[in-house]
Amino acid sequence: AQSVTQLGSHVSVSEGALVLLRCNYSSSVPPYLFWYVQYPNQGLQLLLKYTTGATLVKGINGFEAEFKKSETSFHLTKPSAHMSDAAEYFCAVRVQGAQKLVFGQGTRLTINP
Amino acid sequence: GAVVSQHPSWVICKSGTSVKIECRSLDFQATTMFWYRQFPKQSLMLMATSNEGSKATYEQGVEKDKFLINHASLTLSTLTVTSAHPEDSSFYICSASDVRKGSYEQYFGPGTRLTVT
Repeated sequence: AQSVTQLGSHVSVSEGALVLLRCNYSSSVPPYLFWYVQYPNQGLQLLLKYTTGATLVKGINGFEAEFKKSETSFHLTKPSAHMSDAAEYFCAVRVQGAQKLVFGQGTRLTINP
Repeated sequence: GAVVSQHPSWVICKSGTSVKIECRSLDFQATTMFWYRQFPKQSLMLMATSNEGSKATYEQGVEKDKFLINHASLTLSTLTVTSAHPEDSSFYICSASDVRKGSYEQYFGPGTRLTVT
C-alpha cells in the first residue's frame, strides 16, 4: 500500500524567502507523485507531477519538486515566496495502472509580509 | 481544458433531509469520477470511485446506503447524502478522469460545502 507523509502541518516564511515543503512517500512499486494547492473553500489545483523521466519537475507559479528515489522524497520548493502563495498544499501518490490517489495530511503555508 | 464543476457550491439543509450534489465534466468525458470528503483543516478522504454505467466502489467505512452515488453519463455524477445529520457537514470534492486516455489524471471540482442544521 502507498502512503504519504508531509512533515510540518504548518510552514511560515517571509515574503521573498525560500519555500520548502517536505513530502516523503512509501510505495512498493514506482510511484507517480503530485503536488496540489488548495485555496480556501476551493478545490485542488495541480501544481506539478512526476511520472517518469527527469527527476526535477517544474510546475506552475514558480514551484518545482525533485523526485529522490533513494530518500523516497518529493519536496516542493520555490525560490522566492509571494503573498499569493499562502494556501494549503497536498502531496499525493499514485501507482502506475491504478486510479486511486493517496494524499498526505497537507501543509498550510503562511507568508509573512 | 479539463474543467470540472460542482453544484451547488454550498448548501444548508435540515437534519433528516436529503441533499444531492452534482459533479460535471464540462469539456471532456469522464469515465471515472471520485468523491472525496474533507473536514476542516484535514486532508481529503476518498469516499468512493464511480465508473460510468457501473455501481460505485465505496471505501471501507463509508456507508453506501447513506452516500448514494450515480454516474449515469460520461459527464455527470451525483452524490446524494440521505437523511443528513450534523456530522455529515463537510466539504465534498469530486474529481474526474478519462482512463481511455491512459493517463489516469484526476481533475478536481471546486467543492461543495454542506452544512446540516
